[in-house]
Amino acid sequence: DQQVKQNSPSLSVQEGRISILNCDYTNSMFDYFLWYKKYPAEGPTFLISISSIKDKNEDGRFTVFLNKSAKHLSLHIVPSQPGDSAVYFCAASARLTNTGNQFYFGTGTSLTVIP
Amino acid sequence: EPEVTQTPSHQVTQMGQEVILRCVPISNHLYFYWYRQILGQKVEFLVSFYNNEISEKSEIFDDQFSVERPDGSNFTLKIRSTKLEDSAMYFCASGVRGGRNEQFFGPGTRLTVL
Repeated sequence: DQQVKQNSPSLSVQEGRISILNCDYTNSMFDYFLWYKKYPAEGPTFLISISSIKDKNEDGRFTVFLNKSAKHLSLHIVPSQPGDSAVYFCAASARLTNTGNQFYFGTGTSLTVIP
Repeated sequence: EPEVTQTPSHQVTQMGQEVILRCVPISNHLYFYWYRQILGQKVEFLVSFYNNEISEKSEIFDDQFSVERPDGSNFTLKIRSTKLEDSAMYFCASGVRGGRNEQFFGPGTRLTVL
């Protein structure tokens, strides 16, 4: 039951350019979305989140866009740096339901930023 | 910066044996979670724990699994009789509040069941 989908398993971007990572979801009850970054042999690290009452949230080089009608969100990294190379997971939760404490994760997109 | 820690980093066990995975959440956090990631697959929710009881669990979290917060600092996941398909990376996470806020993940314990 893949409620959160990341259809691109990998992405390569030149240093300094924009990285765009995409995520789609199917559950209309999701109202909170997060992006996590994961390096090998480490746990996921929180990057940025967005509530469904917003369509954009920005934190430094990272911006998350939410399109509720399309059930789609994206993470933009500008400018991309080699240290951004990692696996990026999209996650969602449905806070107002009886499963509000669990996050549903996508399968991840491996980003490689080429120097 | 406070962080979630997990021990051991790698646990190898025989099928049918019991294992206990340990986690020390961030000290002022009140919500605790276990997730697992089978190699090459997505991170999957197992259970959330608040106020000394399970608040949510997934269908993966069957009678073979249990969680405990024995001493106010540790948070453990026990698998009573391990199966080959329990082999995965197990992540502990903690949060100040429930699912409306970010969860902070530990580095994971790799469980290998032979």
